[in-house]
Amino acid sequence: NAGVMQNPRHLVRRRGQEARLRCSPMKGHSHVYWYRQLPEEGLKFMVYLQKENIIDESGMPKERFSAEFPKEGPSILRIQQVVRGDSAAYFCASSPRLGLPRQPLVYEQFFGPGTRLTVL
Amino acid sequence: AQTVTQSQPEMSVQEAETVTLSCTYDTSESDYYLFWYKQPPSRQMILVIRQEAYKQQNATENRFSVNFQKAAKSFSLKISDSQLGDAAMYFCAYRRIQGAQKLVFGQGTRLTINP
Repeated sequence: NAGVMQNPRHLVRRRGQEARLRCSPMKGHSHVYWYRQLPEEGLKFMVYLQKENIIDESGMPKERFSAEFPKEGPSILRIQQVVRGDSAAYFCASSPRLGLPRQPLVYEQFFGPGTRLTVL
Repeated sequence: AQTVTQSQPEMSVQEAETVTLSCTYDTSESDYYLFWYKQPPSRQMILVIRQEAYKQQNATENRFSVNFQKAAKSFSLKISDSQLGDAAMYFCAYRRIQGAQKLVFGQGTRLTINP
């Protein structure tokens, strides 16, 4: 069973370009989370999606950032008109379904290897 | 809002010795999960250990154990018989049981193992 896949692993963009980051969850997982890690910091939650639905986008910047998880295909995190401050590692995690109380095995988030975005 | 604080940016330990990484958190919830994640130089996030707040018994996974003090909102990680492969960034994380499923991470502690 393949783990969470992210591509590309490294992405270089110039200021003003668009960045598209892809995440394929583990087989059977229908929930995807995106996190951002700035240099020397911990991961910060950005958005939580189920198939065709955004459940929680409380961590997403108000402008230039969007995310989707279509019925078919990977989840996409899109950053328009990138700026140097967007340089970071972006991690995707997936889980099989909503966590249920006292059933810890069903709620664990499995992380992908991350995409390192560099904005020149 | 929940917050997680790791007050030790860096720690070092001699190989085969024991080291404890500190973590405190703030929440008004009574039931939640706490985690320790390891991030080696590859940047892959690896779950080390998990604690359910409703369980009084401290979680243990081989050489890794936690000291969970619910009243003090403290959740430290003890690594026994440290090995060179334990060198990594370690992140403490919190997650609610009901509602928002996001993980809230601390700033991390960089652990160095001295041979």
